[in-house]
Amino acid sequence: DIQMTQSPSSLSASVGDRVTITCRASQGIRNYLDWFQQKPGKAPKSLIYAASSLQSGVPSKFSGSGSGTDFTLTINNLQPEDFATYYCQQYKTYPQTFGQGTKVEI
Amino acid sequence: EVQLVESGGGLVQPGGSLRLSCAASGFNFTNYWMSWVRQAPGKGLEWVANIKQDGSEKYYVDSVKGRFTISRDNARNSLYLQMNSLRAEDTAGYYCARGLRWLGTDYWGQGTLVTVSS
Repeated sequence: DIQMTQSPSSLSASVGDRVTITCRASQGIRNYLDWFQQKPGKAPKSLIYAASSLQSGVPSKFSGSGSGTDFTLTINNLQPEDFATYYCQQYKTYPQTFGQGTKVEI
Repeated sequence: EVQLVESGGGLVQPGGSLRLSCAASGFNFTNYWMSWVRQAPGKGLEWVANIKQDGSEKYYVDSVKGRFTISRDNARNSLYLQMNSLRAEDTAGYYCARGLRWLGTDYWGQGTLVTVSS
């Protein structure tokens, strides 16, 4: 199975900050990577697919990059509604696997 | 508007069975792979199973193989998860999700809670 490791597991940031979350795959997954946002008690929301493509309706403050084994999610101009947990998921190989999540806190 | 609405969750005893349903609307259901993803209380997301548009391919996480069965009824725009031999560790919120094999997941339902306990 491909292991997905996110770092950090949590971070504290302020409104207006720029935040970067890293996701590393235990083997190459090309660009078959999603990023999701989840707020407490809510379903996940899809942000980015194919490592760097923004889902429809997602603001351009979110961006993704990377290929192979190393990926990043960047959030610019952090706003109160962005405080949430973020997950990466690889879908190149079954079982599809998630990172453990990164909690972005105030 | 794309909608995925799960149902069928509840309290079940260890060893019991439950069938989850996901009603899809607002899109052409037959064009998409569908998935089940679960989340144990206070834990992260875990992919459970996928099914191809025509039901010809199905994939499962090892921990549910032989116990869970994913299926779909394209005439009813519905996705199902038959869960047998349930264990305490299957306790989780179960989400259905829509996607494409090489473009990932784009929409999620709101989830249904399954509790396995005596």
